[in-house]
Amino acid sequence: GAVVSQHPSWVICKSGTSVKIECRSLDFQATTMFWYRQFPKQSLMLMATSNEGSKATYEQGVEKDKFLINHASLTLSTLTVTSAHPEDSSFYICSARLSPGQGPYEQYFGPGTRLTVT
Amino acid sequence: AQSVAQPEDQVNVAEGNPLTVKCTYSVSGNPYLFWYVQYPNRGLQFLLKYITGDNLVKGSYGFEAEFNKSQTSFHLKKPSALVSDSALYFCAVRENQAGTALIFGKGTTLSVSS
Repeated sequence: GAVVSQHPSWVICKSGTSVKIECRSLDFQATTMFWYRQFPKQSLMLMATSNEGSKATYEQGVEKDKFLINHASLTLSTLTVTSAHPEDSSFYICSARLSPGQGPYEQYFGPGTRLTVT
Repeated sequence: AQSVAQPEDQVNVAEGNPLTVKCTYSVSGNPYLFWYVQYPNRGLQFLLKYITGDNLVKGSYGFEAEFNKSQTSFHLKKPSALVSDSALYFCAVRENQAGTALIFGKGTTLSVSS
Protein backbone atom coordinates (compact mmCIF):
# COMPACT_ATOMS: atom_id res chain seq x y z
CA GLY A 1 0.00 0.00 0.00
CA ALA A 2 0.82 3.72 0.05
CA VAL A 3 2.06 4.02 -3.50
CA VAL A 4 2.78 7.38 -5.08
CA SER A 5 3.18 7.77 -8.81
CA GLN A 6 4.55 10.59 -10.90
CA HIS A 7 4.02 11.36 -14.53
CA PRO A 8 5.98 11.78 -16.65
CA SER A 9 9.08 10.02 -15.39
CA TRP A 10 11.20 12.18 -17.64
CA VAL A 11 10.58 15.10 -19.93
CA ILE A 12 12.61 17.25 -22.27
CA CYS A 13 11.25 20.66 -23.19
CA LYS A 14 12.43 23.77 -24.93
CA SER A 15 13.31 26.92 -23.10
CA GLY A 16 10.28 29.16 -22.64
CA THR A 17 7.69 26.41 -22.63
CA SER A 18 5.72 25.10 -19.64
CA VAL A 19 5.75 21.61 -18.26
CA LYS A 20 3.23 19.94 -15.96
CA ILE A 21 4.19 17.12 -13.59
CA GLU A 22 1.52 15.02 -11.93
CA CYS A 23 1.75 13.36 -8.56
CA ARG A 24 -0.87 10.79 -7.57
CA SER A 25 -1.48 8.79 -4.44
CA LEU A 26 -2.74 5.51 -5.84
CA ASP A 27 -4.23 3.72 -2.87
CA PHE A 28 -4.70 6.32 -0.18
CA GLN A 29 -5.95 9.82 0.32
CA ALA A 30 -3.38 12.52 0.80
CA THR A 31 -4.53 15.77 2.31
CA THR A 32 -0.99 17.05 2.10
CA MET A 33 1.58 16.62 -0.62
CA PHE A 34 5.09 17.98 -0.83
CA TRP A 35 7.26 18.91 -3.78
CA TYR A 36 11.01 18.56 -3.61
CA ARG A 37 13.78 19.39 -6.04
CA GLN A 38 17.03 17.53 -6.23
CA PHE A 39 20.18 18.53 -8.10
CA PRO A 40 22.71 15.85 -9.06
CA LYS A 41 24.31 14.25 -6.05
CA GLN A 42 22.63 16.71 -3.73
CA SER A 43 19.93 16.58 -1.15
CA LEU A 44 16.22 17.04 -1.62
CA MET A 45 15.21 20.64 -1.16
CA LEU A 46 11.64 21.25 -0.14
CA MET A 47 9.94 23.57 -2.61
CA ALA A 48 6.39 23.73 -1.33
CA THR A 49 3.70 22.11 0.74
CA SER A 50 0.43 21.49 -1.01
CA ASN A 51 -2.83 21.07 0.86
CA GLU A 52 -5.95 19.85 -0.89
CA GLY A 53 -8.32 22.65 -1.71
CA SER A 54 -6.06 25.49 -0.64
CA LYS A 55 -3.08 27.45 -1.89
CA ALA A 56 0.32 25.90 -1.62
CA THR A 57 2.85 27.16 0.88
CA TYR A 58 6.17 27.87 -0.78
CA GLU A 59 9.58 27.74 0.84
CA GLN A 60 11.70 30.83 0.93
CA GLY A 61 13.38 31.48 -2.38
CA VAL A 62 10.95 29.43 -4.47
CA GLU A 63 9.08 31.51 -7.05
CA LYS A 64 5.40 30.71 -6.71
CA ASP A 65 4.59 32.26 -10.07
CA LYS A 66 7.12 30.05 -11.76
CA PHE A 67 6.32 26.81 -9.99
CA LEU A 68 2.54 26.56 -9.98
CA ILE A 69 1.12 23.94 -7.66
CA ASN A 70 -2.45 22.71 -7.73
CA HIS A 71 -3.91 20.14 -5.32
CA ALA A 72 -7.43 19.80 -6.59
CA SER A 73 -8.25 16.40 -5.13
CA LEU A 74 -7.15 14.10 -2.34
CA THR A 75 -5.18 11.97 -4.77
CA LEU A 76 -3.67 14.43 -7.22
CA SER A 77 -1.25 17.33 -7.06
CA THR A 78 0.36 18.97 -10.05
CA LEU A 79 3.48 21.05 -10.42
CA THR A 80 3.72 23.27 -13.49
CA VAL A 81 7.07 24.77 -14.35
CA THR A 82 6.20 27.88 -16.33
CA SER A 83 8.49 29.47 -18.89
CA ALA A 84 11.12 26.87 -18.19
CA HIS A 85 14.80 27.71 -18.49
CA PRO A 86 17.85 25.43 -18.52
CA GLU A 87 18.51 26.22 -14.85
CA ASP A 88 15.16 24.62 -14.03
CA SER A 89 16.54 21.28 -15.18
CA SER A 90 16.44 19.03 -12.19
CA PHE A 91 14.91 15.95 -10.61
CA TYR A 92 11.53 16.75 -9.11
CA ILE A 93 10.14 14.43 -6.46
CA CYS A 94 6.73 14.57 -4.89
CA SER A 95 5.68 13.09 -1.61
CA ALA A 96 2.29 12.37 -0.13
CA ARG A 97 1.37 12.23 3.51
CA LEU A 98 -1.48 10.17 4.82
CA SER A 99 -4.60 12.09 5.71
CA PRO A 100 -5.35 12.53 9.42
CA GLY A 101 -6.60 9.35 10.99
CA GLN A 102 -4.76 7.14 8.52
CA GLY A 103 -1.40 7.37 10.25
CA PRO A 104 0.50 10.59 10.80
CA TYR A 105 4.11 9.80 10.32
CA GLU A 106 5.36 8.61 6.98
CA GLN A 107 5.74 10.50 3.79
CA TYR A 108 5.56 8.31 0.72
CA PHE A 109 7.66 9.38 -2.20
CA GLY A 110 7.06 9.22 -5.90
CA PRO A 111 9.74 7.89 -8.26
CA GLY A 112 10.66 11.36 -9.44
CA THR A 113 10.53 13.27 -12.72
CA ARG A 114 13.68 14.19 -14.58
CA LEU A 115 13.18 17.55 -16.30
CA THR A 116 15.67 18.69 -18.93
CA VAL A 117 15.21 22.12 -20.46
CA THR A 118 17.13 22.72 -23.68
CA ALA B 1 14.23 25.51 12.83
CA GLN B 2 14.83 21.85 12.24
CA SER B 3 17.96 20.61 10.49
CA VAL B 4 19.86 17.44 9.74
CA ALA B 5 23.58 16.95 9.34
CA GLN B 6 25.28 14.06 7.60
CA PRO B 7 28.96 14.79 8.16
CA GLU B 8 30.29 12.31 5.62
CA ASP B 9 29.88 12.78 1.88
CA GLN B 10 31.01 9.21 1.27
CA VAL B 11 31.52 6.05 3.26
CA ASN B 12 33.58 3.19 1.87
CA VAL B 13 33.43 -0.31 3.32
CA ALA B 14 34.36 -3.78 2.20
CA GLU B 15 31.65 -6.35 1.67
CA GLY B 16 30.97 -8.30 4.83
CA ASN B 17 32.20 -5.54 7.12
CA PRO B 18 29.90 -3.52 9.36
CA LEU B 19 28.86 -0.10 8.13
CA THR B 20 27.79 3.10 9.85
CA VAL B 21 26.34 6.18 8.21
CA LYS B 22 26.20 9.12 10.58
CA CYS B 23 23.37 11.57 11.18
CA THR B 24 22.79 14.27 13.74
CA TYR B 25 19.70 16.41 14.00
CA SER B 26 18.36 19.60 15.52
CA VAL B 27 14.70 20.18 16.33
CA SER B 28 12.88 22.23 18.90
CA GLY B 29 10.42 19.53 19.86
CA ASN B 30 10.31 15.76 19.75
CA PRO B 31 11.95 14.44 16.61
CA TYR B 32 10.56 12.01 14.12
CA LEU B 33 13.61 10.54 12.40
CA PHE B 34 13.86 8.65 9.14
CA TRP B 35 16.35 6.99 6.85
CA TYR B 36 15.80 6.69 3.12
CA VAL B 37 17.90 5.16 0.37
CA GLN B 38 18.08 6.34 -3.22
CA TYR B 39 19.43 4.45 -6.19
CA PRO B 40 20.52 6.34 -9.33
CA ASN B 41 17.67 8.14 -11.09
CA ARG B 42 15.17 6.64 -8.70
CA GLY B 43 12.92 7.96 -5.99
CA LEU B 44 13.42 7.42 -2.31
CA GLN B 45 12.89 4.12 -0.59
CA PHE B 46 11.96 4.13 3.07
CA LEU B 47 14.33 2.17 5.32
CA LEU B 48 13.27 2.84 8.87
CA LYS B 49 11.94 5.41 11.29
CA TYR B 50 12.08 6.39 14.94
CA ILE B 51 8.98 7.88 16.48
CA THR B 52 9.07 6.76 20.09
CA GLY B 53 9.93 3.70 22.12
CA ASP B 54 13.05 1.59 21.78
CA ASN B 55 16.10 3.56 20.80
CA LEU B 56 17.25 0.78 18.47
CA VAL B 57 15.10 0.64 15.39
CA LYS B 58 15.23 -2.18 12.89
CA GLY B 59 14.29 -1.59 9.29
CA SER B 60 14.40 -2.97 5.80
CA TYR B 61 17.25 -4.94 4.22
CA GLY B 62 18.96 -5.63 7.55
CA PHE B 63 19.52 -1.99 8.42
CA GLU B 64 19.07 -0.58 11.88
CA ALA B 65 19.54 2.78 13.52
CA GLU B 66 20.07 3.92 17.07
CA PHE B 67 18.42 7.01 18.45
CA ASN B 68 20.62 8.84 20.95
CA LYS B 69 18.84 11.78 22.46
CA SER B 70 21.80 13.13 24.44
CA GLN B 71 23.97 13.20 21.34
CA THR B 72 21.06 14.13 19.04
CA SER B 73 22.17 11.39 16.70
CA PHE B 74 20.46 8.73 14.61
CA HIS B 75 23.24 6.73 12.96
CA LEU B 76 22.37 4.06 10.40
CA LYS B 77 24.08 0.71 10.80
CA LYS B 78 24.30 -2.71 9.25
CA PRO B 79 26.32 -5.61 10.65
CA SER B 80 27.47 -6.95 7.30
CA ALA B 81 27.51 -4.80 4.18
CA LEU B 82 26.56 -6.04 0.71
CA VAL B 83 27.73 -4.66 -2.61
CA SER B 84 24.07 -4.07 -3.43
CA ASP B 85 23.85 -1.67 -0.48
CA SER B 86 25.87 0.84 -2.49
CA ALA B 87 23.58 3.85 -2.90
CA LEU B 88 22.85 7.35 -1.61
CA TYR B 89 21.46 7.46 1.91
CA PHE B 90 19.44 10.30 3.38
CA CYS B 91 18.63 11.02 6.97
CA ALA B 92 15.50 13.11 7.53
CA VAL B 93 13.71 14.71 10.44
CA ARG B 94 10.28 16.06 11.11
CA GLU B 95 9.14 17.89 14.19
CA ASN B 96 6.18 16.61 16.12
CA GLN B 97 3.78 18.78 14.24
CA ALA B 98 1.01 17.75 11.95
CA GLY B 99 1.51 18.65 8.33
CA THR B 100 5.17 19.58 8.37
CA ALA B 101 7.47 18.21 5.71
CA LEU B 102 10.51 16.05 6.13
CA ILE B 103 13.77 17.95 6.10
CA PHE B 104 16.66 16.02 4.61
CA GLY B 105 20.36 15.87 5.22
CA LYS B 106 22.68 16.33 2.27
CA GLY B 107 23.07 12.60 1.79
CA THR B 108 25.91 10.13 2.15
CA THR B 109 27.09 7.94 -0.66
CA LEU B 110 27.80 4.42 0.52
CA SER B 111 30.22 2.41 -1.56
CA VAL B 112 30.64 -1.26 -0.75
CA SER B 113 33.52 -3.00 -2.46
CA SER B 114 33.71 -6.71 -3.16
